[in-house]
Amino acid sequence: EIVLTQSPGTLSLSPGEGATLSCRASQSVSSSYLAWYQHKPGQAPRLLIYGASTRATGIPDRFSGRGSGTDFTLTISRLEPEDFAVYYCQQYGSPVTFGQGTKLEIK
Amino acid sequence: QLQLQESGPGLVKPSETLSLTCTVSGGSISSSSYYWGWIRQPPGKGLEWIGSIYYTGSTYYNPSLKSRVTISVDTSKNQFSLKLSSVTAADTAVYHCTRRPAGMGWFDPWGQGTLVTVSS
Repeated sequence: EIVLTQSPGTLSLSPGEGATLSCRASQSVSSSYLAWYQHKPGQAPRLLIYGASTRATGIPDRFSGRGSGTDFTLTISRLEPEDFAVYYCQQYGSPVTFGQGTKLEIK
Repeated sequence: QLQLQESGPGLVKPSETLSLTCTVSGGSISSSSYYWGWIRQPPGKGLEWIGSIYYTGSTYYNPSLKSRVTISVDTSKNQFSLKLSSVTAADTAVYHCTRRPAGMGWFDPWGQGTLVTVSS
């Protein structure tokens, strides 16, 4: 199975700053089959990005994804207070696997 | 707007079978466009895909859990269910139900999740 490694484990930033989250795969993820989710405590995870770079419906354009092969990034420009959460990447090969998450916390 | 709601016992004894149901509202589980599935998150750990089902009953399971998992669908009630047998403390987790577009691999939306604790 494909192992996804996210870095950093925790990212401490202030509102208004930009954030770059990394997701590295143990082997190539075919056809950019990679998604990103935002998860806040007690809430349902929220799909942000699919196909490595396509924003899901209703996701603000300050969220962007890029990458291919084994290296992917999620960039959040101009952090808003509601953006502080845990972010997961996910690849949809067989089986589906998730990264361990990056916690984005307020500095 | 499609909503998913998990339900079931919050406490299960070791060696018994965990049973959860997901009720779908705001859309039909019989749509040919989607799969329905389960994902869990043990406390302090990452997300783990359990498996998916199509409205016809076709299933796909995580190989690591396949021997213990059964996912079924009840189109008349617009529900699908998860059974996980021979549970241990390692199966303690928040269990989310979710939807996946057919032919695609992302999950959207998700249910809020329900905590199931395995303990005697």
